[in-house]
Amino acid sequence: GAVVSQHPSWVICKSGTSVKIECRSLDFQATTMFWYRQFPKQSLMLMATSNEGSKATYEQGVEKDKFLINHASLTLSTLTVTSAHPEDSSFYICSARDSAGAATGELFFGEGSRLTVL
Amino acid sequence: GQQLNQSPQSMFIQEGEDVSMNCTSSSIFNTWLWYKQDPGEGPVLLIALYKAGELTSNGRLTAQFGTTRKDSFLNISASIPSDVGIYFCAGTENAGGTSYGKLTFGQGTILTVHP
Repeated sequence: GAVVSQHPSWVICKSGTSVKIECRSLDFQATTMFWYRQFPKQSLMLMATSNEGSKATYEQGVEKDKFLINHASLTLSTLTVTSAHPEDSSFYICSARDSAGAATGELFFGEGSRLTVL
Repeated sequence: GQQLNQSPQSMFIQEGEDVSMNCTSSSIFNTWLWYKQDPGEGPVLLIALYKAGELTSNGRLTAQFGTTRKDSFLNISASIPSDVGIYFCAGTENAGGTSYGKLTFGQGTILTVHP
């Protein structure tokens, strides 16, 4: 079945550095991918919608200059956390839907990337 | 914005017991989804519901899309230890289109099953 893969699975970085997280659809094309953030023991919160070939759409309260999203191809979206701070430590999860499928096609989630900022 | 209220927050049950959890929303959803999340992993879809009143089963799992479009429930019958995890309901206003996938998640139900 369709698989969405994220890399890295976990990353530890120093405060002030930038971290890039990749989200790949392995056996389907996705014109749209979604980035979620999940703090410990909390639910998933949508951060932004990543659109292939165009700018991402950010949810209210999410800083677009802080969380840079690039959807350069139909199988890859990247999330870059710029100048990361400890409060950015979280579990980041992407999801994607097969663009060739039905409008109500299944949405697949990546395995998640755990970011820890020291 | 939309909010989903999921209950209960946690459940501790014995193996073999049935489980029921539900979600209610403040507004109408056109799609309801139930996911399970294991620690350190992304959510995995259990059941998707697209029509009001729809009742769908997946093995020991059964979920229903409320007729008001503002609620859904998930039942797990004859629970087993591997059912342990966090269960999330999720909904979207859109039944299709490019914005499909903008899910609103419930707070989650933590399920613990004692052997």
